[in-house]
Amino acid sequence: AQRVTQPEKLLSVFKGAPVELKCNYSYSGSPELFWYVQYSRQRLQLLLRHISRESIKGFTADLNKGETSFHLKKPFAQEEDSAMYYCALIRLGGTSYGKLTFGQGTILTVHP
Amino acid sequence: NAGVTQTPKFRILKIGQSMTLQCAQDMNHNYMYWYRQDPGMGLKLIYYSVGAGITDKGEVPNGYNVSRSTTEDFPLRLELAAPSQTSVYFCASTGTGGGNQPQHFGDGTRLSIL
Repeated sequence: AQRVTQPEKLLSVFKGAPVELKCNYSYSGSPELFWYVQYSRQRLQLLLRHISRESIKGFTADLNKGETSFHLKKPFAQEEDSAMYYCALIRLGGTSYGKLTFGQGTILTVHP
Repeated sequence: NAGVTQTPKFRILKIGQSMTLQCAQDMNHNYMYWYRQDPGMGLKLIYYSVGAGITDKGEVPNGYNVSRSTTEDFPLRLELAAPSQTSVYFCASTGTGGGNQPQHFGDGTRLSIL
């Protein structure tokens, strides 16, 4: 079975500092990796996905198959980045039916 | 654009009571999911559906039931509420292109069992 691990429950940085949210996964097949974000009083929404290779709100994430990681990075954090972040995985192919396996989540707080 | 709509937003139940959490989507999505979110545990899949009339268990199905009589609706039923079912419940859907498209989430239902 696949697993997603986010080792940091809480992460605090100051505005303008770089931020990295860690995500490690275990899955022997081909995964699709996502980062979802939940801002205060808003619904959970997609931030970015590996296959798109795009930068959203200044965030990027690189899939490292050797280290089985998909860390989320931003060079200069902003206060509006404060939120709960979830890393998630879908097994590609077969009968995955799009079922997401989530990590435990990381609460990011960006201080002014 | 409503997207995924969940009702109610909050509910308090007594142990042993039953209730149905409603979920509706207006995007003509075939795939729908129910997750529960417990503090420090992330979201775990309860049940999912790949189309009207087709449902299957996820990771944590015990104590729950679902049905999918229409494409739009995917209600989650708690038959005998237990304190362990205190959680935030999220419904999600994704498009007909298959499972590797992003999921759209509802606002959630916060449920307390006392």
